[in-house]
Amino acid sequence: EAGVVQSPRYKIIEKKQPVAFWCNPISGHNTLYWYLQNLGQGPELLIRYENEEAVDDSQLPKDRFSAERLKGVDSTLKIQPAELGDSAVYLCASSLDGTGRRGQFFGPGTRLTVL
Amino acid sequence: SQQGEEDPQALSIQEGENATMNCSYKTSINNLQWYRQNSGRGLVHLILIRSNEREKHSGRLRVTLDTSKKSSSLLITASRAADTASYFCATDRVTDKLIFGTGTRLQVFP
Repeated sequence: EAGVVQSPRYKIIEKKQPVAFWCNPISGHNTLYWYLQNLGQGPELLIRYENEEAVDDSQLPKDRFSAERLKGVDSTLKIQPAELGDSAVYLCASSLDGTGRRGQFFGPGTRLTVL
Repeated sequence: SQQGEEDPQALSIQEGENATMNCSYKTSINNLQWYRQNSGRGLVHLILIRSNEREKHSGRLRVTLDTSKKSSSLLITASRAADTASYFCATDRVTDKLIFGTGTRLQVFP
């Protein structure tokens, strides 16, 4: 079984540029999460999808961040424009059941560096 | 915001020794989970313990939960070099929303 796939793995951009991250969850997983992980910290939830519906986006900075999951499978997270403080690892995760009681499955992450 | 706080922040041991890391959290929970993260990789789910459980085992892992103290511990017995990683506890209060702690960095020397 393929795991959660993310691309790119690394991205370096200059501030004020746009950037997009892509995630393909495990097949059959209806719930998809985007997390932000700063160095030395645990992941923090940005947005959670149930199929194509964003059911929790309270932590997403909506002035510059946007996300979509149009067909309830793949998802894209975008930042426009990027700021220096956005440098972090962006993790995508998916789970089989909405309660996540069997745990969430994480991708390897995209490490973003904003110069 | 981080719900949990792991202790110690860093731990160095020799292969074969046991490693114990603790997690404290702030609010009531439904479940508590432990995850491992190898350097530069995503997190891997290790074990889940429900709020009405006190202890759970999985292979070399033993997790305890004390809801009265709002704390949990993860014990790794007979550690191996491959156990070197960061370990995070994560709690869910509201269904499906996990809040992660700050992590314990474990180094196991061969």
